[in-house]
Amino acid sequence: DIQMTQSPSSLSASVGDRVTITCRASQNINNYLNWCQQKPGKAPRLLIFAASSLHNGVPSRFSGSGSGTEFTLTISSLQPEDFATYYCQQSYNPPFTFGPGTKVDIK
Amino acid sequence: QVQLVQSGAEVKTPGASVNISCKASGYIFNNYYMHWARQAPGQGLEWVGMISPSGASAIYAQKFQGRVTMTRDTSTSRVYMELSSLRSEDTAVYYCARDPHYIYFHYMDVWGSGTTVTVSS
Repeated sequence: DIQMTQSPSSLSASVGDRVTITCRASQNINNYLNWCQQKPGKAPRLLIFAASSLHNGVPSRFSGSGSGTEFTLTISSLQPEDFATYYCQQSYNPPFTFGPGTKVDIK
Repeated sequence: QVQLVQSGAEVKTPGASVNISCKASGYIFNNYYMHWARQAPGQGLEWVGMISPSGASAIYAQKFQGRVTMTRDTSTSRVYMELSSLRSEDTAVYYCARDPHYIYFHYMDVWGSGTTVTVSS
């Protein structure tokens, strides 16, 4: 199975900050990488698919980049509604494993 | 609008089976893969498996092989996940999710609200 890691596991940031989360795969997954956001008690929400494609309705302050084994999710200017946990997921080979998550909270 | 409505919470004893349903509406059901994922209390997301648009094939994560079965009914636009031989570690919120499988990419673009399964003696 492909193992996914994320760093940091948590971070504290202020509204307006630029935030970057890194996701690494245990092998080359080309650009078969998705990002989702989850708030407490809610279902996950897709943000980015195919490493850099913004899902419909997702604000443009979210962006994704990377290929191969290293990927990043960037929030250009953190908004109050962005405090949540973020997961990467590979869809190169089943099982489509998720990363352990990065919790973004208020500084 | 596009919606996935899941069945209600379940409480099961160890060794029992659970069957969760997910009803799709607002889109052409037969055009999409469907996935199931779960989240144990306080933990991250775990992918369980997926079923093809026709229902002819399903792929499961190895750890669930032999215990999970995914099916779909096009007449009712429902997808089902049965998990058998339940143990306490299966206590989790189970989510269904739609997958457009755009070009060669699998991704989960619409999620159900989740079904809580509690396994306890």
